[in-house]
Amino acid sequence: SSELTQDPAVSVALGQTVRITCQGDSLRSYYASWYQQKPGQAPVLVIYGKNNRPSEIPDRFSGSSSGNTASLTITGAQAEDEADYYCNSRDSSGNPLVLFGGGTKVTVL
Amino acid sequence: EVQLVQSGAEVKKPGESLKISCKNSGDSFSSYWIGWVRQMPGKGLEWMGIIYLGDSDTRYSPSFQGQVTISADKSNSTAYLQWSSLQASDTAMYYCARYYYDSSGYYLSNWFDPWGQGTLVTVSS
Repeated sequence: SSELTQDPAVSVALGQTVRITCQGDSLRSYYASWYQQKPGQAPVLVIYGKNNRPSEIPDRFSGSSSGNTASLTITGAQAEDEADYYCNSRDSSGNPLVLFGGGTKVTVL
Repeated sequence: EVQLVQSGAEVKKPGESLKISCKNSGDSFSSYWIGWVRQMPGKGLEWMGIIYLGDSDTRYSPSFQGQVTISADKSNSTAYLQWSSLQASDTAMYYCARYYYDSSGYYLSNWFDPWGQGTLVTVSS
């Protein structure tokens, strides 16, 4: 089916590791890209391709993929990582062409 | 550095028309994709469509096909999102972003970067 599924919310203790997942059939053919969105701000790309980070994104952010599941891992979460995270992929059927997951709210405790 | 600058917030009445813009600056490329994404209040990101500035090739999400029109002015490096008759349900933040697609590897990939600052559209009587 043409959708990407994310858990609505996860929490992580300061300095610990959190993994955010994204599931969908299209992820068997496409890498997911990941975006961070803080309240009142535009989304920011954090991971794209196999595991690529824009230069301004800290290396505590990493991406991986297995089967129909893509993951974004934050290793050593910081207070400033508290945000909504969205995954994105293309759809294998091409209709719709582009997919977004529903988003995961990450709370840093 | 590529930047996308969007037009300012709009307040409109139901039934009115509207065209918002997204201007690309900071690079010399004349052919690239720009996408539009809707975010309704308190909700997630929804892909609306993409347009190729080189020849205005446009792809729409089925959810938005016929509801909006995406266009571009290559000479001005600007993409547009247009409504002919707004409804209260169009109230949302609208983002544009450069869209990339990579088919060079075994796995394919796509991403949006950078994003514009967003245009808030409010439709209310």
